Amino acid sequence: QEKVQQSPESLIVPEGAMVSLNCSFSDSASQSIWWYQQHPGKGPKALISIFSNGNKKEGRLTVYLNRASLHVSLHIKDSQPSDSAVYLCAVYTGYQNFYFGKGTSLTVIP
Amino acid sequence: DMKVTQMPRYLIKRMGENVLLECGQDMSHETMYWYRQDPGLGLQLIYISYDVDSNSEGDIPKGYRVSRKKREHFSLILDSAKTNQTSVYFCASSWGVEQYFGPGTRLTVL
Repeated sequence: QEKVQQSPESLIVPEGAMVSLNCSFSDSASQSIWWYQQHPGKGPKALISIFSNGNKKEGRLTVYLNRASLHVSLHIKDSQPSDSAVYLCAVYTGYQNFYFGKGTSLTVIP
Repeated sequence: DMKVTQMPRYLIKRMGENVLLECGQDMSHETMYWYRQDPGLGLQLIYISYDVDSNSEGDIPKGYRVSRKKREHFSLILDSAKTNQTSVYFCASSWGVEQYFGPGTRLTVL
């Protein structure tokens, strides 16, 4: 079974800071990696995904995937108080199977 | 706009009572999921449904059962609820490799 580990568990940053979230996984054959954002009292919402080694940028978000080291990171540029949420890393291994990490709680202080 | 709905949003039951959580989606997605989310444990998969009457156990199926008689509707049933089933329950559906989550049901078993 796929194992997904996220770090740090929690993070507090000032508004405007660059945020870096980490995720490691156990299966190099994983098809894709997803990052979900979950605000308090809400369901997770997909933010960005990556399938191939390398990086992908969407707006203030950049995700880096290194399959050799089984590591993926999410970087949020110019963080805003509205970015305060729990960020979940999810690994898709095929056949509709997703494995989630426990999440990183981000607080952006105005 | 793709949408997953859950009813009820909040529920309080006494130990030993039966519980029915309902989930609907308007996207005709074949695959649907039930998760529970507890502090420190992240999202845990209870059941996955690949289509009508095609259900498989997830990681923690004990004490739960599901029913899917229509593609757009997926139910989670707790027969004789236990206090350790107090949690937030999320339903999700998937299209290809992306999951869409509902807003969650907060269940308290006294």
